[in-house]
Amino acid sequence: EPEVTQTPSHQVTQMGQEVILRCVPISNHLYFYWYRQILGQKVEFLVSFYNNEISEKSEIFDDQFSVERPDGSNFTLKIRSTKLEDSAMYFCASRGYRGRTEAFFGQGTRLTVV
Amino acid sequence: DQQVKQNSPSLSVQEGRISILNCDYTNSMFDYFLWYKKYPAEGPTFLISISSIKDKNEDGRFTVFLNKSAKHLSLHIVPSQPGDSAVYFCAASVGNKLVFGAGTILRVKS
Repeated sequence: EPEVTQTPSHQVTQMGQEVILRCVPISNHLYFYWYRQILGQKVEFLVSFYNNEISEKSEIFDDQFSVERPDGSNFTLKIRSTKLEDSAMYFCASRGYRGRTEAFFGQGTRLTVV
Repeated sequence: DQQVKQNSPSLSVQEGRISILNCDYTNSMFDYFLWYKKYPAEGPTFLISISSIKDKNEDGRFTVFLNKSAKHLSLHIVPSQPGDSAVYFCAASVGNKLVFGAGTILRVKS
């Protein structure tokens, strides 16, 4: 069964460093998402991506964040200068079609900023 | 901006009984609703969905009910099993956007 794959599973980084979280969405999907979940809190939408551009982003997704689909298969989330409050589980998701279909999630990357 | 709300943070149910998880939403533009199940240290797993043009969708032990006038949906699990113990997220979709509720922890006791 096709699945969304995320690497690494756990990333520890020092405050102020750049991190790149990687995702391989399901191959024929067209819509891509990043979500995050701070420990004990809700799953929060960060950004959606379609046709090689951001289609929507939340208030959380400020100038420190960027997304890219560099080679047609990977979908990356970059945090330019990490802060302690960026520590969270980051989930990538992909969706085949806009609207009335489900999104499939990866297993997540636990980011710890120290 | 809490467009999707799950007001019960947790629910405890005896094995074999019915579990009912509730969700309310505020955005009348949402046209598709989903339930996801999540275990610790794993990503959310899709469970069941319902289109806004329906009021019920059933898949095995899982049934989702939608009351558009009340902007309310619920997930029924019957009979509940210990393996159903997890966090359940309600989500709502309009266009490209998928918004999640805060989740409800379900514990099924054997």
